[in-house]
Amino acid sequence: QLQLQESGPGLVKPSETLSLTCTASGGSISSSSYYWGWIRQPPGKGLEWIGSIYYSGSTYYNPSLKSRVTISGDTSKNQFSLKVTSVTAADTAVYYCATHGDSDYWGQGTLVTVSS
Amino acid sequence: QLVLTQSPSASASLGASVKLTCTLSSGHSSYAIAWHQQQPEKGPRYLMKVNGDGSHRKGDGIPNRFSGFSSGAERYLTISSLQSEDEADYYCQTWGNGNWVFGGGTKLTVL
Repeated sequence: QLQLQESGPGLVKPSETLSLTCTASGGSISSSSYYWGWIRQPPGKGLEWIGSIYYSGSTYYNPSLKSRVTISGDTSKNQFSLKVTSVTAADTAVYYCATHGDSDYWGQGTLVTVSS
Repeated sequence: QLVLTQSPSASASLGASVKLTCTLSSGHSSYAIAWHQQQPEKGPRYLMKVNGDGSHRKGDGIPNRFSGFSSGAERYLTISSLQSEDEADYYCQTWGNGNWVFGGGTKLTVL
């Protein structure tokens, strides 16, 4: 069964870059069976798709975040990563990595707080 | 534009059944969707995919009490024999051209 685990700093200063990594086990990010994505959830709010990457390396981003977001994959480590530049307090959220395919899987999520 | 619409809240009694609805935007009535459950203070859990033809495929370990079907642009999640742990937020999700779209979520209260 596919498992996902997010990792990265829990506190980021305003105007800096948020960086998170998702490590997959039980499945390969090189598989054509899945898209690999990032979703976030601000406190008390709903889910917001940030962007996703396919095994081919193609990336797709939420238009509202596209100018600040980069998603990349490292097949040697079976990981994919998220970078969000120029963060503000509005980027404070629980960040989840997830897959979409024949079946979907979620990581447990990691809280990132933007504060000085 | 691909949009999913959900009612903000629903309620039903312990042991009863409930049907949650997710509506696809105009022009997208054939799209499949996924249902996810988010219990309080937990991350989302994948429940199932519901196709436009009404078929559904559940995730690993999802009880038989959960089922899905569709009618036109509407996709449904039904939960029977409601239990207290079913009290949660339920999100529908779809995808198109590589983009993922989430509905606003329905908060289910078990009375």
